[in-house]
Parts: sequence; C-alpha cells; structure tokens
Amino acid sequence: DIQMTQSPSTLSASVGDRVTITCRASQSISTWLAWYQQKSGKAPKLLIYKASNLEDGVPSRFSGSGSGTEFTLTISSLQPDDFATYYCQQYSGYSRSFGQGTKVEIK
Amino acid sequence: QVQLQQWGAGLLKPSETLSLTCVVDGGSFSGYYWSWLRQPPGKGLEWIGEINHSGSTNNNPSLKSRVTMSVDKSKNQFSLKLSSVTAADTAVYYCARGLLLQYWGQGTLVTVSS
Repeated sequence: DIQMTQSPSTLSASVGDRVTITCRASQSISTWLAWYQQKSGKAPKLLIYKASNLEDGVPSRFSGSGSGTEFTLTISSLQPDDFATYYCQQYSGYSRSFGQGTKVEIK
Repeated sequence: QVQLQQWGAGLLKPSETLSLTCVVDGGSFSGYYWSWLRQPPGKGLEWIGEINHSGSTNNNPSLKSRVTMSVDKSKNQFSLKLSSVTAADTAVYYCARGLLLQYWGQGTLVTVSS
C-alpha cells in the first residue's frame, strides 16, 4: 500500500499569507495526486488533479506542484473562505489513499 | 449537473451488516468508476473501494474481506455492504464519482453501538 504523509498537521495563518502544504508518498506515484478542501460538515471538494491541474471553478490562488514522491499545495494569498482542512490523495495503480489532513486555522 | 444521493441505515449493532446505496443523477454512469469512502468523527478520509458499470472493483486491502460492492446500471445506482461491523466502523460514509472524486454524495453518518 502507498502511504501518504502530509505536513504540517495544523497551520496557523493570517488573511493574505502565502501558505504551503507538503505531501509525501511512500513510493513514486508520478503525478497521480489530487488535493481536496473540506469544510466542517461538508463533503470534500476537488481543487487540483494530476499534481498541478486546477479543477474548473477553483480560484487561481491555489496551485500544486511536484512529482514522484514529493508534492506541494500552495495558496498564494489566503482568503477567509480558505480556512479549512486540506487532504492529498494518490490515485496510482489500483488503490487510493489519503494524507492525514492539514487544518488551516486563523492566526 | 451531476448529483449523487445516498441512503442507508444510520444505526447498527455490532456484528450487523452496513448497507448503503447511491443513485447518480446526470452525466454518464458507464464512463466512470464509482467510489465509497468514510470519515470517522474528527478524523481523516479513508478510501473503501470503487466499482465500475460492469462490476469491476478495486478495494482497500484493510477492508476487502468485509466489503461487497454492486452496481445496478438500469437504475444508475451502486451499493456498499460492509459486514461484521464494530464501533471502529462508526463514520460518515460518502459515495463519489471517478478516480478524481469530482462529485460527492451528501454523506451518511453510520453509528455502530450496542
């Protein structure tokens, strides 16, 4: 099984800050990585797929990068609507797995 | 617009079988894999498995022995059964579309308690 590890687990930031979340895979997954945003009580929302492709309708302040085993999600200027929990997910091969999540809190 | 609507029993006793169904409204049913995921209260997401229109499945190895997924193409529906549940299976269960999980059901809280 491919294990996904996110860091940090919690991140405190202010509106306007640049925020970066890291996701590491236990083995190479090429660019088969997605990022999701989840708000309390809601289903997750797809933000980025294939490591760096922005899903339709997602603001351009969100970006993704990486390949192989190391990936990042960057929010260029944090907005009030962005305070949420973020998950990475690998979809390489025939199994899927998620990172443990990164909660972005108001500083 | 694609919508997924799910339903099933919300309260189970230990050793019972969890049963959930998800119906898809809009978009192609045959062109995608259809997934089940869960999220224990206050915890992260866990992928349970996926099924396509012809019944081909991929499963989480940690749950595989207890999971049965099925599909009814005529009704654009797919279903999940999880046998021998315990308190550790208490979670919000979601259905979702595709490898990229672009569309999600509303979630069903399933509580296992004696």
